[in-house]
Amino acid sequence: GDSVTQMEGPVTLSEEAFLTINCTYTATGYPSLFWYVQYPGEGLQLLLKATKADDKGSNKGFEATYRKETTSFHLEKGSVQVSDSAVYFCALSDGGSARQLTFGSGTQLTVLP
Amino acid sequence: EAQVTQNPRYLITVTGKKLTVTCSQNMNHEYMSWYRQDPGLGLRQIYYSMNVEVTDKGDVPEGYKVSRKEKRNFPLILESPSPNQTSLYFCASSWTGGRTDTQYFGPGTRLTVL
Repeated sequence: GDSVTQMEGPVTLSEEAFLTINCTYTATGYPSLFWYVQYPGEGLQLLLKATKADDKGSNKGFEATYRKETTSFHLEKGSVQVSDSAVYFCALSDGGSARQLTFGSGTQLTVLP
Repeated sequence: EAQVTQNPRYLITVTGKKLTVTCSQNMNHEYMSWYRQDPGLGLRQIYYSMNVEVTDKGDVPEGYKVSRKEKRNFPLILESPSPNQTSLYFCASSWTGGRTDTQYFGPGTRLTVL
């Protein structure tokens, strides 16, 4: 079945540092890939998505490129801020019968001033 | 404002006492689902609904029930809660649940079963 593996957390960075959170996936067919972010005490919200190979999703300075050859969708940001502290989830959707999102386990990011 | 709402946000109960967590969306979405979030496991789908009166099991349905009598509402029912159902629950909705759809999540319900 489908699965998503993301790097273990927690990750702690200083403000303005470069961020990479690795995400790889296993899926049949051609899934869409997503990054969701969960701020403390809140629900998940979409950060960015890519629906086909080589697409780049971007939002709020975050980027991720859908790499079919390496089955990866790594999240990057050039300069993190304290306000980026949150849990980040990589997910995929293959449009199967349950139409569910398959999530990674989440990566806690803390950015220190 | 487009949103998914859940109630209650926090709930502490005892084993065996039936409870319902409500979920409502105002975006006229056809697809709704419930997830539970547990440390180290990410989110796992409990039940989903393609439309009114159409529901089906997700990956972890044991101990849960749902109904979809109206398009906007999708309550989660625990008939006889047990401590292993202590978790953080999220309701989500999207247009059709299709491959490229963005899913919108509620704020979550933190349930503790003693």
